[in-house]
Amino acid sequence: EAGVAQSPRYKIIEKRQSVAFWCNPISGHATLYWYQQILGQGPKLLIQFQNNGVVDDSQLPKDRFSAERLKGVDSTLKIQPAKLEDSAVYLCASSLAGGRGYGYTFGSGTRLTVV
Amino acid sequence: AQTVTQSQPEMSVQEAETVTLSCTYDTSESDYYLFWYKQPPSRQMILVIRQEAYKQQNATENRFSVNFQKAAKSFSLKISDSQLGDAAMYFCAWNSGGGADGLTFGKGTHLIIQP
Repeated sequence: EAGVAQSPRYKIIEKRQSVAFWCNPISGHATLYWYQQILGQGPKLLIQFQNNGVVDDSQLPKDRFSAERLKGVDSTLKIQPAKLEDSAVYLCASSLAGGRGYGYTFGSGTRLTVV
Repeated sequence: AQTVTQSQPEMSVQEAETVTLSCTYDTSESDYYLFWYKQPPSRQMILVIRQEAYKQQNATENRFSVNFQKAAKSFSLKISDSQLGDAAMYFCAWNSGGGADGLTFGKGTHLIIQP
């Protein structure tokens, strides 16, 4: 079984630029999560999708962050414009039908550096 | 808001010895799940062990076991017969028994294995 694919693996941008991250979950997984992991901290949930609908985006900074999951498969997370404090690893995870009962599978993340 | 606290930024143990990583959490819910995840330098989160709060029996997975004290809101991880491959960041995480099931993580403990 292929894992959760994320790209790019690394990205360096200047502040005020835009950036997008892509996630391809495991085939058939209905639930998809985006987490932000700042250096020295644990991951923080940004948004959760169930198929192509948003379940929880309470911690997503909506003035600059946006995410979509078209057709309930791949997902894109965008930051526009980026700030220095957005430097972090962005992790994507997926689950068959909710992590409590089926577990979560994480990707290897995208490391973003904003200079 | 739910919080997860890991008070040990770093722990060191001799190979083949036993080590215990601490975790406390704060929630007003009675139904929830607790997890320990391992994050090696590859950045991918790997599930170590999972505990359902309604189960009194402590979870065990081979060399890994937990001490779940619900009243004290404590969830420690014991690693027996430590191996070099156990070296990584370890994160304690919580999620609710109902509704959105994104994880709330602690800040992590860096585990060093001394050969």
